[in-house]
Amino acid sequence: EPEVTQTPSHQVTQMGQEVILRCVPISNHLYFYWYRQILGQKVEFLVSFYNNEISEKSEIFDDQFSVERPDGSNFTLKIRSTKLEDSAMYFCASSKNPPQTTGELFFGEGSRLTVL
Amino acid sequence: AQRVTQPEKLLSVFKGAPVELKCNYSYSGSPELFWYVQYSRQRLQLLLRHISRESIKGFTADLNKGETSFHLKKPFAQEEDSAMYYCALSLNTGNQFYFGTGTSLTVIP
Repeated sequence: EPEVTQTPSHQVTQMGQEVILRCVPISNHLYFYWYRQILGQKVEFLVSFYNNEISEKSEIFDDQFSVERPDGSNFTLKIRSTKLEDSAMYFCASSKNPPQTTGELFFGEGSRLTVL
Repeated sequence: AQRVTQPEKLLSVFKGAPVELKCNYSYSGSPELFWYVQYSRQRLQLLLRHISRESIKGFTADLNKGETSFHLKKPFAQEEDSAMYYCALSLNTGNQFYFGTGTSLTVIP
């Protein structure tokens, strides 16, 4: 069964460094998402991506963040100049249809980011 | 604004006992509501959606617009139901989900 895969599973970085989190969505899916979960808190929406552009983003997704689909398979989240509060689990998800039609997002296992 | 509230962070029940995981939402339009589940060492996955009116693994959830609730219920809990459960809301516009903070369910043998 196809799955969303994420790399790395865990990354430790120094404050101020840039981080790139990678995701390979399910191949015939058209909608891509990044969510994050700070330890002990809720899963928060960051951004959705469709047709090679951002379709929606939350207020968390400021200029520090960017997303890219560089080669038609990978979907990356770049965090520039990381801060301590960026430490979280970052989840990539994909769906074939818009979420309000089926509600089924397929999630990756997450990338844990630790900023020191 | 907190769109989805799950008041219980932890919930323990004995095997065979009924279980109810609470979820309340705030949205003035017509929401789409879902329950997602994360078993130990597994990824977050869809459990059920209100529009399907389905029962999955014995779980059901009824959307109560008057009480703005979407509680998840199962009459007889099983040990394999132990997991983290997230209630989620999708607006009828846009592509994002709003998740609750989750309830960790432990079913005691």
